[in-house]
Amino acid sequence: SQQGEEDPQALSIQEGENATMNCSYKTSINNLQWYRQNSGRGLVHLILIRSNEREKHSGRLRVTLDTSKKSSSLLITASRAADTASYFCATPNNAGNMLTFGGGTRLMVKP
Amino acid sequence: NAGVMQNPRHLVRRRGQEARLRCSPMKGHSHVYWYRQLPEEGLKFMVYLQKENIIDESGMPKERFSAEFPKEGPSILRIQQVVRGDSAAYFCASSPQTFYEQYFGPGTRLTVT
Repeated sequence: SQQGEEDPQALSIQEGENATMNCSYKTSINNLQWYRQNSGRGLVHLILIRSNEREKHSGRLRVTLDTSKKSSSLLITASRAADTASYFCATPNNAGNMLTFGGGTRLMVKP
Repeated sequence: NAGVMQNPRHLVRRRGQEARLRCSPMKGHSHVYWYRQLPEEGLKFMVYLQKENIIDESGMPKERFSAEFPKEGPSILRIQQVVRGDSAAYFCASSPQTFYEQYFGPGTRLTVT
């Protein structure tokens, strides 16, 4: 079974709206990372949040982490058509040498 | 500072041939990871290497797949006697240490005909 699972699997919004994606995981973690993947392209690292952090911001991105609920959320504010992509959460194993990815949320932002 | 480089970007092989995928990590990164992504799925870990050492290959199929990261040159993921089920995107990532962000290359899309 997957360590990280995103919810929803697909999300369609209008440009300017906010998009929220959630990620749940099963075991304790050192950190949780969010990545973006445009269709047919590689992954782009967005944010890393450590287990002792509760919230982190980067531009229009806001990530929260709730270790008691084993969940994280990624909020993209004032979305743009260019934000259309798949978004993945990933967590490292205990040795920190392997990332386990969820199945991703496919976000479509309509202009 | 160039990012992670992978080549080729696209590779077509007939069943039974060998596929060689190359990855050059970011400058200063000594940790290299390979992942495989099947269509419409997330990435699955295959192997983690440091220079001249395979540290964790728990995600690698036991047969036909091998990886190396020599002292000089790129990391190589080698798939012998490819089958149609090997068709996927193969991504390489690198990091300066464990528990850090992993930076991904553009991937090699392997198609087995």
